[in-house]
Amino acid sequence: DGGITQSPKYLFRKEGQNVTLSCEQNLNHDAMYWYRQDPGQGLRLIYYSQIVNDFQKGDIAEGYSVSREKKESFPLTVTSAQKNPTAFYLCASSGGRLLSGNTIYFGEGSWLTVV
Amino acid sequence: SQQGEEDPQALSIQEGENATMNCSYKTSINNLQWYRQNSGRGLVHLILIRSNEREKHSGRLRVTLDTSKKSSSLLITASRAADTASYFCATDAKETSGSRLTFGEGTQLTVNP
Repeated sequence: DGGITQSPKYLFRKEGQNVTLSCEQNLNHDAMYWYRQDPGQGLRLIYYSQIVNDFQKGDIAEGYSVSREKKESFPLTVTSAQKNPTAFYLCASSGGRLLSGNTIYFGEGSWLTVV
Repeated sequence: SQQGEEDPQALSIQEGENATMNCSYKTSINNLQWYRQNSGRGLVHLILIRSNEREKHSGRLRVTLDTSKKSSSLLITASRAADTASYFCATDAKETSGSRLTFGEGTQLTVNP
């Protein structure tokens, strides 16, 4: 089935550790996105990528890093510099330019908790 | 920057009633989209309305857009318990050239059976 797979669903991070969240899509989409969602809040954009080997910072990129070496993969690393990483992380993709009326497809999300 | 803001933040209605949620935004847009999120899940696209459209329907959903007031509304008619979810508006701002969507804070809808 076509879709976006995020893993793991639940992840626990110790203080000072880096952790990487995986996002894979088989929709052949060019654009991919990472959003953060805090409980009861909306989504905030961390990073996005319009094409392989290129990505841009979103609104809250500090303490995060990404790579886009393959079209289907867009992993997010939460570094130790992110002081409050406990949140729900959502990966998404889009098949074309949003201004053309394309929509965003989301994965099922990953819960990250600092212990 | 937070582009979309929904109100109310929470809405509780009885099954069969209509639910109306509003969204306001700040900058010029190419289009506006509405998404639904069940608790602890990813978002699912519901409907898109372009900046040159004023109203759009999809099944029990009706969306309006008033670009002069920078606002949109989502109406769900004859609501069902299964409509219980959070609803978000998302804007594709002209200033970002269609490269990203900015989401609002969402409206938590509860439909009581």
